[in-house]
Amino acid sequence: QVQVVESGGGVVQPGRSLRLSCAASGFTFRSYAMHWVRQAPGKGLEWVAIISYDGSDKYCAESVKGRFTISRDNSKNTLFLQMNSLRAEDTAVYYCARDLSLLFRGIKDWGQGTLVTVSS
Amino acid sequence: QSVLTQPPSVSAAPGQKVTISCSGSSSNIGNNYVSWYQQLPGTAPKLLIYDNNKRPSGIPDRFSGSKSGTSATLGITGLQTGDEADYYCGTWDSSLSAVVFGGGTKVTVL
Repeated sequence: QVQVVESGGGVVQPGRSLRLSCAASGFTFRSYAMHWVRQAPGKGLEWVAIISYDGSDKYCAESVKGRFTISRDNSKNTLFLQMNSLRAEDTAVYYCARDLSLLFRGIKDWGQGTLVTVSS
Repeated sequence: QSVLTQPPSVSAAPGQKVTISCSGSSSNIGNNYVSWYQQLPGTAPKLLIYDNNKRPSGIPDRFSGSKSGTSATLGITGLQTGDEADYYCGTWDSSLSAVVFGGGTKVTVL
């Protein structure tokens, strides 16, 4: 069955970097857009970034622009989120998720999330 | 402040119907498909509705979606205690070139 499993979360100091990974299985990874969505403790969903099926199109939220970069390795069925210049407000559970389509149509399959805590 | 506006909470008795509104603009809901997500306490979100009114396989027909102009609505009929969750609408915003979510609506079964 479809699985997406995030890893790489943890506690990091403000201003430092962290790289999240997401291992996908159970579907043809190279045929679908992928997302990162985050949720701060007790808050709602906040979309972070999307990458098209082939990596040619990438978009991200204004709140992370210039600091976060989404990428994918279709040969390894893996999605990444490089997070630089981390801030306290980036503290959240980060979900990796598969879209229904080549870009955005609906976010179908979600991982269980990985917690990122930015704190000194 | 979310780009899409949802009521913070709705409630109804078991067996009744609730509707959740999602209000946006021409740059998002007005010209793009809407999807809806259910998040049960302590779990990851789940896709309930996509393309305004389509249900993925496995989603019961108690859940329905509709769109009119710059607003969308999620309906839940035959309300069950297991439906207590947070519900989010989402769509693409062509001006922002970004996916946008509503702030979420908590459904309480009385």
